[in-house]
Amino acid sequence: GAGVSQSPSNKVTEKGKDVELRCDPISGHTALYWYRQSLGQGLEFLIYFQGNSAPDKSGLPSDRFSAERTGGSVSTLTIQRTQQEDSAVYLCASSLSSGGARRDTQYFGPGTRLTVL
Amino acid sequence: ILNVEQSPQSLHVQEGDSTNFTCSFPSSNFYALHWYRWETAKSPEALFVMTLNGDEKKKGRISATLNTKEGYSYLYIKGSQPEDSATYLCAFCPGGKLIFGQGTELSVKP
Repeated sequence: GAGVSQSPSNKVTEKGKDVELRCDPISGHTALYWYRQSLGQGLEFLIYFQGNSAPDKSGLPSDRFSAERTGGSVSTLTIQRTQQEDSAVYLCASSLSSGGARRDTQYFGPGTRLTVL
Repeated sequence: ILNVEQSPQSLHVQEGDSTNFTCSFPSSNFYALHWYRWETAKSPEALFVMTLNGDEKKKGRISATLNTKEGYSYLYIKGSQPEDSATYLCAFCPGGKLIFGQGTELSVKP
């Protein structure tokens, strides 16, 4: 079946502009995660959604970052007033469930490479 | 702060060599450890999810072991091939989110 998809694959923007990154999870997966990898850094957790529960936003680096998940499926990560340090590869993942099911494999999308000039 | 450490940072081997990497993680409140392979320009690919102390999992030429009491996992590749070249990531899962190590970058020369 179809895997996790993300769009756009590449995004170049100017400092101060807002950007939206989109993630389509695997159909039927109730948990959705956002991570990012900045240059020279490891993969860093940003936020995750589990069903109708309040999202875990503990990884968001600043209040310029927000995310929503509509209808329990598609998610959008929004970065307002982008800064150069926001340049990174943003990865989305989904899994069947989360919380008590920590053993679930997370399936990753191809990522969006964001460059802030 | 939950810290996941991987070593070595990079590894260069010849085709046919066997190799192994280490992942260290917090030994308290252990739930699961995940291994991923990430090739350039592709999505991270799940290799193993390990949950039980003493667990050993195998997928083709790749295997992994887990010691939850001392907080480490080893990933082994037997008879490395050029197509094994990738970054190998381990991730500790305390609940939902994954906390990743920095990865081991493997390069296999023909």
